[in-house]
Amino acid sequence: DAGVTQSPTHLIKTRGQQVTLRCSPISGHKSVSWYQQVLGQGPQFIFQYYEKEERGRGNFPDRFSARQFPNYSSELNVNALLLGDSALYLCASSKGSRHGELFFGEGSRLTVL
Amino acid sequence: RKEVEQDPGPFNVPEGATVAFNCTYSNSASQSFFWYRQDCRKEPKLLMSVYSSGNEDGRFTAQLNRASQYISLLIRDSKLSDSATYLCVVNPSSGGYQKVTFGTGTKLQVIP
Repeated sequence: DAGVTQSPTHLIKTRGQQVTLRCSPISGHKSVSWYQQVLGQGPQFIFQYYEKEERGRGNFPDRFSARQFPNYSSELNVNALLLGDSALYLCASSKGSRHGELFFGEGSRLTVL
Repeated sequence: RKEVEQDPGPFNVPEGATVAFNCTYSNSASQSFFWYRQDCRKEPKLLMSVYSSGNEDGRFTAQLNRASQYISLLIRDSKLSDSATYLCVVNPSSGGYQKVTFGTGTKLQVIP
């Protein structure tokens, strides 16, 4: 079975631009969550979606938004990019909404110049 | 105080050594706890869940101390392949969603 897949794997943007990152969860998983990982830090929670509804939001500005589609895939959008948005963006899927193992994709590495 | 705190290390240990990591958390209502392993420039992967009674998986032992609000990971007979960053993860979920909080990670380097 395929694991969590994310695209693109690497991308370079300039300040002020917008970016869309995509994630396909493991088949049968209904929960998708997004994390930002800056070099030398642990992943920071951005959003969780379960059954196409936002279930949780971390301490990120409104420039960050996400959605989940009927097939449970998800997109993370970041507007008006700042240099500080440069990071590895990780998507994780899980079966349920509350507890249990998170399965991570390999991430999308964003560089903002 | 950070929600989840770990000693960033690095811990440099010789092969065969026993090494222990601690992690403290601030939310006393936290309900589930995990250790994840992250290799350099790779995604985190679950190492083990941490149960109140403590649990063991081969050379790895995890323990939870709710009174003192910390979890620990013990690695016995360290192997070169254990070199990685170990992330402590706390899920304070009580509202029906996962807002898991990761520690900054503890870097382990096992030396030949």
